[in-house]
Amino acid sequence: RKEVEQDPGPFNVPEGATVAFNCTYSNSASQSFFWYRQDCRKEPKLLMSVYSSGNEDGRFTAQLNRASQYISLLIRDSKLSDSATYLCVVNMMDSSYKLIFGSGTRLLVRP
Amino acid sequence: DAMVIQNPRYQVTQFGKPVTLSCSQTLNHNVMYWYQQKSSQAPKLLFHYYDKDFNNEADTPDNFQSRRPNTSFCFLDIRSPGLGDAAMYLCATSSPGQGARGSYEQYFGPGTRLTVT
Repeated sequence: RKEVEQDPGPFNVPEGATVAFNCTYSNSASQSFFWYRQDCRKEPKLLMSVYSSGNEDGRFTAQLNRASQYISLLIRDSKLSDSATYLCVVNMMDSSYKLIFGSGTRLLVRP
Repeated sequence: DAMVIQNPRYQVTQFGKPVTLSCSQTLNHNVMYWYQQKSSQAPKLLFHYYDKDFNNEADTPDNFQSRRPNTSFCFLDIRSPGLGDAAMYLCATSSPGQGARGSYEQYFGPGTRLTVT
């Protein structure tokens, strides 16, 4: 089993749609969780950290379910500029500050 | 106000010819990381420096080496590049042990895209 698993997509949605991605992780002791966004041929950029209580940043909402070991990202009112690959990120088993990245879920928002 | 800078952005090298990629940061973060990312794959951690301490991942080939002469700079040396080493190389920083609220978030440079001919 991979340490971090994501549906590769692509998710193809119209502008204005709501879309959700899930990610599962294998290490039950993980403490750090993030969503990164990566545009084609660019570097990953931090989108948001994921907290136990869930957190929201504008149109983006992240949730953590420790019992089931999954993380979700909800994007409301999708914009064309949201088209990117979204990487689920969790800290490694042997370290709190080393991160392991999922392969990403690709989102395409169409006009 | 670039925070993590990588040079060059694009590097072409010949099979077997050593190459060095550089990374600098203005964040004063104590940890610097090197990742390799191939097309449609996740970034893969090669190694990192926690302050001056070098930490290699178990599956990183010996062909890859790193140097960190000071807090701001870190280098990735590929001693004998093979065709399979063509990839994007990403440098990142974080500050897990700094201050009252250390952070585990990592900040990436723009990457160096390496081509091996």
